[in-house]
Amino acid sequence: DIQMTQSPSSLSASVGDRVSIACRTSQPISTYLNWYQHKLGTAPKLLIYAASTLQSGVPSRFTGSGSGTEFTLTISSLQPEDAAIYYCQESFNTPYIFGQGTKLEI
Amino acid sequence: QVQLVESGGGVVQPGGSLRLSCAASGFTFSTYGMHWVRQAPGKGLEWVAFIRYDGSYKFYVDSVKGRFAISRDNSRDTLYLQMNSLRVEDTAVYYCATGTGSGIYYRFDQWGQGTLVTISS
Repeated sequence: DIQMTQSPSSLSASVGDRVSIACRTSQPISTYLNWYQHKLGTAPKLLIYAASTLQSGVPSRFTGSGSGTEFTLTISSLQPEDAAIYYCQESFNTPYIFGQGTKLEI
Repeated sequence: QVQLVESGGGVVQPGGSLRLSCAASGFTFSTYGMHWVRQAPGKGLEWVAFIRYDGSYKFYVDSVKGRFAISRDNSRDTLYLQMNSLRVEDTAVYYCATGTGSGIYYRFDQWGQGTLVTISS
């Protein structure tokens, strides 16, 4: 199975800041990489798919980049509602491994 | 609008069984592959199982193979997860999600709110 490593595991930032979350895979996966936002008690939300394609309805302050084994989710101009846990996920093949998550505090 | 509503969670003793349901609406359920994903307390998301739109292919994470069975009833727009021989480590919130796209564009784009399964004696 592919191993996923997210960093950092948590971070604290202020409204208006720009933050980046990294995701590294144990083998190249081209751009088979998705990003999700999860707030406690709610349904996870798809943000980015194919490494850099913004899901419909997601604010443009969310951007994804990378290919191969190195990927990044960037949130520019943080908003209070961005406080959540963020997960990367490989969509290369089952078992569709998720990263361990990055908790973002605002 | 798309809606996925899970049900069937509860408290079960180790070794017991439970069947989860996921009622779908707002889209053509019979044309979508479906997934179950879980989140154990204090842990991250873990993919559990997949079923093709017509039920012809099913895949499972190794830890549930032989114990869990995913199925669907396209006439009822409902996804199921039959869970047998339950273990304490199966305690989690279980989510259903739609699988959309193909190739590099494959993603889980719609999710339910989840149903809590607690395995405890």
